[in-house]
Parts: sequence; structure tokens; C-alpha cells
Amino acid sequence: QSALTQPASVSGSPGQSITISCTGTSSDVGTYNLVSWYQQHPGKAPKLMINEVTKRPSGISNRFSGSKSGNTASLTISGLQAEDEADYYCCSYTGTSTYVVFGGGTRLTVL
Amino acid sequence: QVTLRESGPAQVEPKQTLRLTCSFSGFSLSTSGMSVSWIRQPPGKALEWLGRIDWDDDKNYNTSLRTRLTISKDTSRNQVVLTLTNVDPVDTATYYCARMWAAWYYFDYWGQGTLVTVSS
Repeated sequence: QSALTQPASVSGSPGQSITISCTGTSSDVGTYNLVSWYQQHPGKAPKLMINEVTKRPSGISNRFSGSKSGNTASLTISGLQAEDEADYYCCSYTGTSTYVVFGGGTRLTVL
Repeated sequence: QVTLRESGPAQVEPKQTLRLTCSFSGFSLSTSGMSVSWIRQPPGKALEWLGRIDWDDDKNYNTSLRTRLTISKDTSRNQVVLTLTNVDPVDTATYYCARMWAAWYYFDYWGQGTLVTVSS
């Protein structure tokens, strides 16, 4: 069981928007603005999409955005495209001896 | 251009020691704030952070692996080494190394990963 809780799957049609939630606790997501999101296509390494809750690295489309409220962080993808179909993982620093925790991953299907 | 590449055995027998090397370029692990982490992913499962080593040789490990895991670096050779003792079939996974900024805990560059199977 992962420390951060994500829905197992989400889906949307091209052009639509979807949001993936990532629920933690006051020991991680709720206290630290150190949440990041990763996209992983099958057989590939994860790719950083969002860091520090809301920041987009250079080269990442502005269709991807991050936010946080309380113990839950969210990744929103607008204007869904076929190439967005992938697994998405959230990650957070935790102020415990575990240091870093990932979510269980969410499979995004573009219908 | 930042690149990382993992290398090591594809198969290890139970109870043996796994040693993986992360060779990187495009950055220096002597730069203040720089860090390299190891992350693994069992087949079909989620990512798991294993541990990290910082520019100043500080190290942090996932509590669940602390007694079996050691991470070291050779700054002059731009390499980070993961050593995992007494491996078990549950350690079967793709192992990634990734660059991390120590203060911000995000992984901006990843290796392609190397699949390690623990089996006799």
C-alpha cells in the first residue's frame, strides 16, 4: 500500500480536462510544498511534469497544472491529447524517516 | 545535456548482494545542492524511493531498506553505486537512478532503468 492515495484510473475524451488527485497526510502533502508529478509511458522512465506543487519545468506544456488543498494535491490536464495517455505518479517529501513517498499511480486513458 | 545510465546484473540469486552503478554526465555531484536518488519499480507496480546521496556525502535511506541498502559515490568518475544485500524475490524491479535537487525533493532527470530479477 502506497503512502499517497491516487485513483487507479481516470479517463477523458480528446479536448476535455481531467484531474488526478493525490491524498496524503499532514506529515507530507499537507505540510510541505514539495509535491511533484511524473508521467510514465509503458516501458519508459518517468518524466517530471510538475515540481513544488505548481511549477512546470521547461518544455512541459501549459496544459499541465498542479495545485494543492489541505492534504490533497491535484494534477489537471486540459485539452487532452492522445499522447497524454500514460501512468501518472505523485510524490511528496515527508517529514519522517521515510523522506520521500510516491502515490500508487493513476492510469489515464484518452478515449 | 544531463544523462544518467544504470548498469549492473540482470539477475541475482536470493541472499546475494546486488550492486548497481549509475553513471551520469552533464552535472557534477560536487555542486552544492545536488543529489542522486535510487528509485525502483516492481513489474506492474508503483515507484518506490530507495535512498539518496548528496553533494556533501550526506545520505538518506528508505526506512524499510535501511539495514540492507548502501549508496556511495565516486565524484571523480561521476558515478553513484547502490549496494543491496541479502536480496529476495520481492526485490525484483526496474531500478532507476535520478538527479534530485536536495532541498526540493523532485527528480528532474532519470536514467532509462535496469531490470533486475532475483531468482535462482
